[in-house]
Amino acid sequence: GQSLEQPSEVTAVEGAIVQINCTYQTSGFYGLSWYQQHDGGAPTFLSYNALDGLEETGRFSSFLSRSDSYGYLLLQELQMKDSASYFCAPTSGGYQKVTFGIGTKLQVIP
Amino acid sequence: DVKVTQSSRYLVKRTGEKVFLECVQDMDHENMFWYRQDPGLGLRLIYFSYDVKMKEKGDIPEGYSVSREKKERFSLILESASTNQTSMYLCASSLSGGRNEQYFGPGTRLTVT
Repeated sequence: GQSLEQPSEVTAVEGAIVQINCTYQTSGFYGLSWYQQHDGGAPTFLSYNALDGLEETGRFSSFLSRSDSYGYLLLQELQMKDSASYFCAPTSGGYQKVTFGIGTKLQVIP
Repeated sequence: DVKVTQSSRYLVKRTGEKVFLECVQDMDHENMFWYRQDPGLGLRLIYFSYDVKMKEKGDIPEGYSVSREKKERFSLILESASTNQTSMYLCASSLSGGRNEQYFGPGTRLTVT
C-alpha cells in the first residue's frame, strides 16, 4: 500500500536550524518533492530529489535516501516568515502522480 | 511567470446543484490536477489529466468528474453537490518529466449549504 508520514507540528526558534523528516511507502516511486504553504495561501514548490543525497537551495536543503524510503527538509537560519506548513510529496507512476500528506506545521518563535 | 487561475475565490452553492470549477494555466503544461484540502486531512488528489481529453482518477474521485477539452483548461464538476464537498479546491499544473514542479492556483473555497 501507500503511506506517508511526517510530524504534524514542529516549533523552532528564530535563527535556529530545523529538520522535518518524511518516510514514505510509494509504489513506482520516482522522487520526493517538498512544498511550502502559508496560511491562506497556495502551496509553492521548494525542492525535488530524484537521486540519493542532499540538494541545497539557499537556506533550504532536502535529502533523500531511496533505500530507506526516507527524506528530510532542512531549514537553516530560521526566519519568522518560515512559519508555514511543509509537505513532503512523493512522485510515482507513469503519469507522475504526486501524493501530498497532511503536512508539518512549522511555528517559528522569537 | 507561470500563472494558474481559478474561476472563483469563494463560491456558495446549495445541496443538489451542479457545480463547475474552472482552472486555466498559461504555460502550456501537459499535466493538470485537482485537489481538495481539508483541515487534518491535507491535500488529496481528486483527478488529474496528462493530456487533452485524458484523465485519471486520483484518490477521492467519487462525486466528481472532470473535463479537459483544451490544453490550458481543466474543469472540475460536482454533479450533485453535497455538504461533505464543502472544502478548499486547488488546481495545479506541471510539465511532464523532470522534477514535475506543480504550480498551484489560489484556490476556490466552496461552501455547500
